[in-house]
Amino acid sequence: DAKTTQPTSMDCAEGRAANLPCNHSTISGNEYVYWYRQIHSQGPQYIIHGLKNNETNEMASLIITEDRKSSTLILPHATLRDTAVYYCIVKYYGNKLVFGAGTILRVKS
Amino acid sequence: DAMVIQNPRYQVTQFGKPVTLSCSQTLNHNVMYWYQQKSSQAPKLLFHYYDKDFNNEADTPDNFQSRRPNTSFCFLDIRSPGLGDAAMYLCATSTRDYRGTDTQYFGPGTRLTVL
Repeated sequence: DAKTTQPTSMDCAEGRAANLPCNHSTISGNEYVYWYRQIHSQGPQYIIHGLKNNETNEMASLIITEDRKSSTLILPHATLRDTAVYYCIVKYYGNKLVFGAGTILRVKS
Repeated sequence: DAMVIQNPRYQVTQFGKPVTLSCSQTLNHNVMYWYQQKSSQAPKLLFHYYDKDFNNEADTPDNFQSRRPNTSFCFLDIRSPGLGDAAMYLCATSTRDYRGTDTQYFGPGTRLTVL
């Protein structure tokens, strides 16, 4: 599975969009991009995943560049409850999730 | 709501005293995973069951065992807990769907303290 690079931390104002970048320059054609988040002392929460196309669900949007070497998770209107560690994970179908250090997102009022 | 349930949420055990953590799911997923997450670290996979087939990670200590008596339940047994086994233990489940993805869904975790 391809490795990912994420910023260590980011701040976002409450009510604004939070844009979390992820680089995965060695991604292969069949590897998916997954995003999870982990709020303090809770289990990781699945957010969204994609292969090639941009994806949107009730939680977030995932924008994958055309060359698939990077992606951005967008939380359209961040709230204080979105403060968490956000993990970007690239993996093949059937392979295990390998968590990196992730990005600490702090939403501030 | 379909979910992954872990009991207990907090477990305290003594050094060397066997302990069992449990996980149940109402998602009817055929894959169940156990992760260990130590303080300020990312979750790390210990092993998983694909149906009844047990798959151990190469670096999982022998001290950790698992049982899956049926689709819904999976147990993590720590035979002789050491101080270094204090951690959050996370259970997750997944299935394979027609799109060829296997999204994992996590339980709330059990925080284990070893005295």
